Amino acid sequence: QKEVEQNSGPLSVPEGAIASLNCTYSDRVSQSFFWYRQYSGKSPELIMSIYSNGDKEDGRFTAQLNKASQYVSLLIRDSQPSDSATYLCAVIRGQNFVFGPGTRLSVLP
Amino acid sequence: EAGVTQFPSHSVIEKGQTVTLRCDPISGHDNLYWYRRVMGKEIKFLLHFVKESKQDESGMPNNRFLAERTGGTYSTLKVQPAELEDSGVYFCASSQGNWDYNEQFFGPGTRLTVL
Repeated sequence: QKEVEQNSGPLSVPEGAIASLNCTYSDRVSQSFFWYRQYSGKSPELIMSIYSNGDKEDGRFTAQLNKASQYVSLLIRDSQPSDSATYLCAVIRGQNFVFGPGTRLSVLP
Repeated sequence: EAGVTQFPSHSVIEKGQTVTLRCDPISGHDNLYWYRRVMGKEIKFLLHFVKESKQDESGMPNNRFLAERTGGTYSTLKVQPAELEDSGVYFCASSQGNWDYNEQFFGPGTRLTVL
């Protein structure tokens, strides 16, 4: 079992819809979770961090964390074509990141 | 404020040659990390500096890889001699010193191709 798992996609949603990206992790002691967005050929860009169970909202983005289920998700409301990218889930192990393989999101105009 | 910068952006070398990658972290960030993404795989941790000291180098593939961070500022990652499987994108990231909220900021990466 990989430490961080994500559906590779592609996940296709129409413009204006809600995109839901999911991530599971295996290490129960993980405390810090991050979502990065990576456009093709570019560096990962931090979108959200979440440390406590529940929801955290920032603009059109909502991160959800359930430590009991070892599950973290990212919701993108009112999806735009510019949101089309690969979304990486990252979990802290010690002081370093363990990344998932990423989910490719395609927002269709 | 300038972000993390990396040089070069691309490097194409032949098997057996040496390549040195450079990373300049965000000013004031004590933590510097190197990661690598091999084609089709997830981003993998290589090593972590705190200032000039290697905190964790458990992700370094083998002794052909040497990382330094003299003076606790920029860092270099040397691959000598390069092998075909070293091809990939090498990312550098930096963060401030609060472990519990370790938001890392990534550079644009260096794409290394070993022929």
